[in-house]
Amino acid sequence: GAGVSQSPRYKVAKRGQDVALRCDPISGHVSLFWYQQALGQGPEFLTYFQNEAQLDKSGLPSDRFFAERPEGSVSTLKIQRTQQEDSAVYLCASSPPRADTQYFGPGTRLTVL
Amino acid sequence: QKEVEQDPGPLSVPEGAIVSLNCTYSNSAFQYFMWYRQYSRKGPELLMYTYSSGNKEDGRFTAQVDKSSKYISLFIRDSQPSDSATYLCAMTRTGGFKTIFGAGTRLFVKA
Repeated sequence: GAGVSQSPRYKVAKRGQDVALRCDPISGHVSLFWYQQALGQGPEFLTYFQNEAQLDKSGLPSDRFFAERPEGSVSTLKIQRTQQEDSAVYLCASSPPRADTQYFGPGTRLTVL
Repeated sequence: QKEVEQDPGPLSVPEGAIVSLNCTYSNSAFQYFMWYRQYSRKGPELLMYTYSSGNKEDGRFTAQVDKSSKYISLFIRDSQPSDSATYLCAMTRTGGFKTIFGAGTRLFVKA
């Protein structure tokens, strides 16, 4: 079956631009996570959704970062007024009901010039 | 100090060697321990999942958790060039959903 998909795979933005990153989780997965992975580092938690409810957004670095999942399936991570330090791979993961294991997408590599 | 510490390597071994990877952590509330494998330009892939202390074996992979020492390990037997990747340890508290990852260890298995 299809895994977690993310788009675009690569995004180059000029500093100050807004970007939107999309995640399509595995069908039926209620939990959805966003992570930021800097070069040479492990993924860092950003935010967590259970269906359409955002239960934890403590990892979002600033108020320029915003995530939504309005219908409990597809999720979008939006970064406003991008800065060079936002350059990283943004990973999305989903989990089925009553499970702790997460299935990751391939990530979106964001480069801010 | 990070909650989870992992030596970034790189670790280079000959094909067929036994590989030992490990992480230490500081938060005693962690109960779920995972190992992920990440190939270049791919997302992490779950290899092993362990609850609390003990050992778990799956094919060539063995995961060990020692909660008293706050130390977890992943052993790879008969390593293959296809095992060359970055290995990430990860852990979660009971009832929590925020997973904390180590920095990852880069492994190279030479044919």
